[in-house]
Amino acid sequence: GAGVSQSPSNKVTEKGKDVELRCDPISGHTALYWYRQSLGQGLEFLIYFQGNSAPDKSGLPSDRFSAERTGGSVSTLTIQRTQQEDSAVYLCASSPSVKRGVPYEQYFGPGTRLTVT
Amino acid sequence: KNQVEQSPQSLIILEGKNCTLQCNYTVSPFSNLRWYKQDTGRGPVSLTIMTFSENTKSNGRYTATLDADTKQSSLHITASQLSDSASYICVVSRMDSSYKLIFGSGTRLLVRP
Repeated sequence: GAGVSQSPSNKVTEKGKDVELRCDPISGHTALYWYRQSLGQGLEFLIYFQGNSAPDKSGLPSDRFSAERTGGSVSTLTIQRTQQEDSAVYLCASSPSVKRGVPYEQYFGPGTRLTVT
Repeated sequence: KNQVEQSPQSLIILEGKNCTLQCNYTVSPFSNLRWYKQDTGRGPVSLTIMTFSENTKSNGRYTATLDADTKQSSLHITASQLSDSASYICVVSRMDSSYKLIFGSGTRLLVRP
């Protein structure tokens, strides 16, 4: 019973480069979420997928950030032209489904620590 | 203004002692409140989830309370263990977007032998 996995676990990149972060959700989970945890800050919502579509992208901080999900499974978060303020831990979570008012458990991966130099 | 406020920011207790962590929120319309435990370098793990109608829920040595009228919650840890050292995060969601978790900044707990 594998949990949510993320890769890479750590990524160091130079300012201006593009990066891709990967999330493998728990098998069968239709909902997938990306969050960001900056140093000393609480987690903040970035985007939510139901299947392959993203009904809520409201947390993406700028148009440099994008995400996709294919086959209702793996998701990739892409950050273009990285800036130093993008340095953070990026966490992915998945849940069985989403239904209005029902508090489905969200299972988190270990995160990817991104450092932009 | 942060919609979920936690106190204290950090706490040190001796092994075997009890402690209580506090959470105040302004999120509305309220759907549910969760407490998560996050070990250093790991993702958060859910301890409890409470909806509007629930005012207490236990998970082993962890007991969460919720007062939806005053918009306050607490997490009580009984007979602390060294492995309880972690950040404890209060998380609230709205009825109209219950998938979107709103996180507090957490309380960092250190249990000393």
